[in-house]
Amino acid sequence: DTAVSQTPKYLVTQMGNDKSIKCEQNLGHDTMYWYKQDSKKFLKIMFSYNNKELIINETVPNRFSPKSPDKAHLNLHINSLELGDSAVYFCASSQGGLYGNTIYFGEGSWLTVV
Amino acid sequence: EDQVTQSPEALRLQEGESSSLNCSYTVSGLRGLFWYRQDPGKGPEFLFTLYSAGEEKEKERLKATLTKKESFLHITAPKPEDSATYLCAVQNSGYSTLTFGKGTMLLVSP
Repeated sequence: DTAVSQTPKYLVTQMGNDKSIKCEQNLGHDTMYWYKQDSKKFLKIMFSYNNKELIINETVPNRFSPKSPDKAHLNLHINSLELGDSAVYFCASSQGGLYGNTIYFGEGSWLTVV
Repeated sequence: EDQVTQSPEALRLQEGESSSLNCSYTVSGLRGLFWYRQDPGKGPEFLFTLYSAGEEKEKERLKATLTKKESFLHITAPKPEDSATYLCAVQNSGYSTLTFGKGTMLLVSP
């Protein structure tokens, strides 16, 4: 059983396209996140949702729009893709809201924009 | 702003050759320091959380320690399957998000 699962794992698309990455967690956690790992391997927080509400938005371009239909799902929509959006996107979850603890990560979605 | 610096960037060991990875941090009120392991093509896998200076945690060949300024991940008699990138991250007293270092890429040769 995969605790945090993301789809697709690999995505190659052209500049200007719109794409989505889906994430589901079966841990019963109330907080979900999107992290981005760039070519230099730095992992940085993008968004955090607690009980379907956006609580953190770390200066991410508004072309990126997270959507949480319920506590177990957090999807990431990206409009008008740019070359610089190429990266690995990790979904994650934790329990305890803003003051939660251990964060568990999915396997990652490799996005390549050509 | 929270900062995490890991050293060395890469470390090559022979099987059985013990060593330590360093994680230096500055954070506005430490709630927790986390160690993760990341294999190529995979997501970070949780290893340890340390909450206060002097705390130590162990798991198989790994032992994590914490001071007020840094954490060490000691690897005793490593095996090739310990090869991975080890990430350190801090959680401050505010939100539960993590600030990560760039990681140390460990390669253990048989």
